[in-house]
Amino acid sequence: QQQVRQSPQSLTVWEGETTILNCSYEDSTFDYFPWYRQFPGKSPALLIAISLVSNKKEDGRFTIFFNKREKKLSLHITDSQPGDSATYFCAASNRGSALGRLHFGAGTQLIVIP
Amino acid sequence: GPKVLQIPSHQIIDMGQMVTLNCDPVSNHLYFYWYKQILGQQMEFLVNFYNGKVMEKSKLFKDQFSVERPDGSYFTLKIQPTALEDSAVYFCASSLDWGKNTLYFGAGTRLSVL
Repeated sequence: QQQVRQSPQSLTVWEGETTILNCSYEDSTFDYFPWYRQFPGKSPALLIAISLVSNKKEDGRFTIFFNKREKKLSLHITDSQPGDSATYFCAASNRGSALGRLHFGAGTQLIVIP
Repeated sequence: GPKVLQIPSHQIIDMGQMVTLNCDPVSNHLYFYWYKQILGQQMEFLVNFYNGKVMEKSKLFKDQFSVERPDGSYFTLKIQPTALEDSAVYFCASSLDWGKNTLYFGAGTRLSVL
């Protein structure tokens, strides 16, 4: 059973556009939602994260919007740049239980065209 | 930022052989993890390890799998014997504090079982 789902699977945008990546989850006990970014051949690295107490988390051009009732999140990247081209993974966990066990989505591959 | 190193980056072996994947976690981290990613799919949790013991493992962590970190050296994942379905990229991760859930990942070892 897939606990975390992401859409679209891949996305191509022009430089300067706003990118929207979607994520949804099943388990209502999840309370922490990090987004990881992975460049080809590199390690996945934490980009931005949100917890259940917030509806929105902003860090520069990256913003997470969180709809708790529908169990949906979205990552917005404003003024998308070619350097943002990577695979973005949404993840979820219950920090009160499993020891750091993250449930990952299958990722969205983003290509930003100059 | 903190780096997790994985050695080797690619390993090719014959089915039935033993393989050991090595991970050098961030030096002051206490919690260690292995995740498995089949091409095009999400990273899936295998196991976490703390204070010399497996704390939690998933159904994917078969009896043929074992982990250890002898004397603070490499954190290893051993598969004996290997099967064709073990072909995947294996990511090691470490964290300082499970509660914060900031996992730092290595670049992965691509295992090809022939």
